[in-house]
Amino acid sequence: DIQMTQSPSSLSASVGDRVTITCRASQGISNYLAWFQQKPGKAPKSLIYAASSLQSGVPSKFSGSGSGTDFTLTINSLQPEDFATYYCQQYNSYPPTFGQGTKLEIK
Amino acid sequence: EVQLVESGGGFVHPGGSLRLSCAATGITFSNYAMSWVRQAPGKGLEWVSVISGSGGSTQYADSVKGRFTISRDNSKNTLYLQMNSLRAEDTAVYYCAKVSSGGYYDAFDIWGQGTMVAVSS
Repeated sequence: DIQMTQSPSSLSASVGDRVTITCRASQGISNYLAWFQQKPGKAPKSLIYAASSLQSGVPSKFSGSGSGTDFTLTINSLQPEDFATYYCQQYNSYPPTFGQGTKLEIK
Repeated sequence: EVQLVESGGGFVHPGGSLRLSCAATGITFSNYAMSWVRQAPGKGLEWVSVISGSGGSTQYADSVKGRFTISRDNSKNTLYLQMNSLRAEDTAVYYCAKVSSGGYYDAFDIWGQGTMVAVSS
């Protein structure tokens, strides 16, 4: 199975900040990488697919990049509603696997 | 608007069975593969199973293979997960997720709200 490793595991930031979360795959996955946002007690929400394409309705403050084994999610101008846990997931090969999550907290 | 609504969760003793359902609206259901993903309390996301749009192909995580069966009824726009021989480690919120195409190798784009399964003696 492909292992996905996110860093950092937690992150404190202030409203208005720009943050970057990194996801590394244990082997190359081309651009078959998705990002999800999850708030406490809620279902995950799909943000990005194909490493850099925004899902419908997702604001452009979210952006993704990378290919192969190294990927990033960047969130610009943090707002209170952006504080959540973020997961990456590879869908290059089965089983699909998720990173352990990055909890983004308000400083 | 696309909506996925899960049901069927609950409390069960080890060794018991449950069947989860996921009703889809707002899409041509048979055009899309569907998956189940679970999340144990306080833990991350774990993929469980996937079924192709036609229902002819399925795959399972090793942790549930031989115990869980995914199926779908395209005439009812409903996805199912039959869970047998349940274990304490199956305790989780179970989400259904729509794959953005008919085949397996594509991203999840829509998620249901989840249904809780608790396995305990």
